Amino acid sequence: GESVGLHLPTLSVQEGDNSIINCAYSNSASDYFIWYKQESGKGPQFIIDIRSNMDKRQGQRVTVLLNKTVKHLSLQIAATQPGDSAVYFCAETSRGTGANNLFFGTGTRLTVIP
Amino acid sequence: GAVVSQHPSRVICKSGTSVKIECRSLDFQATTMFWYRQFPKQSLMLMATSNEGSKATYEQGVEKDKFLINHASLTLSTLTVTSAHPEDSSFYICSVPRLRGTEAFFGQGTRLTVV
Repeated sequence: GESVGLHLPTLSVQEGDNSIINCAYSNSASDYFIWYKQESGKGPQFIIDIRSNMDKRQGQRVTVLLNKTVKHLSLQIAATQPGDSAVYFCAETSRGTGANNLFFGTGTRLTVIP
Repeated sequence: GAVVSQHPSRVICKSGTSVKIECRSLDFQATTMFWYRQFPKQSLMLMATSNEGSKATYEQGVEKDKFLINHASLTLSTLTVTSAHPEDSSFYICSVPRLRGTEAFFGQGTRLTVV
């Protein structure tokens, strides 16, 4: 039978606009965070990461913001392009425990309108 | 180029049969690999940690006798779905961490359909 589960939040933006995708995490011990992009039928692709000793990190057209106080992470995509349409996941891990497995957030489906 | 190679990308099998999925680390040796499962429109759920030369570590609720993991070499981990049933139909993805506590590289995923 069909699985019944949580449907992904969606975000639609016009091409050229900026996109902001948000993620809340729950583990206070998490000290390393990553944003991944997943296109349909493919595995996740690394976008950008940030360590807990930082609150902002910039890449090419992308910026990640970390607010440890409220356990919130955001991904900003500048001048969004049709090729940015995908599902975006945040992932967290706690290096301090020696673990290196990632736990993924719910994900957000970004649709770019040409 | 790809850092992690996962095969097959798609497989359809009959209920009751077993299916093996391979995950290869192409660029570096990996003592640890991870297996995830993803249902449609849902996030990735960690199933198990594959450990080279020792038993895999399974997440709570994942049947180890159902999902057999073998990590026989530093570049290869396999996931075998035994006696597959339609509810096992899902997208299975492996990952290889670059270093401890860093980003992971993902395979392209395997779409398993059990009929």
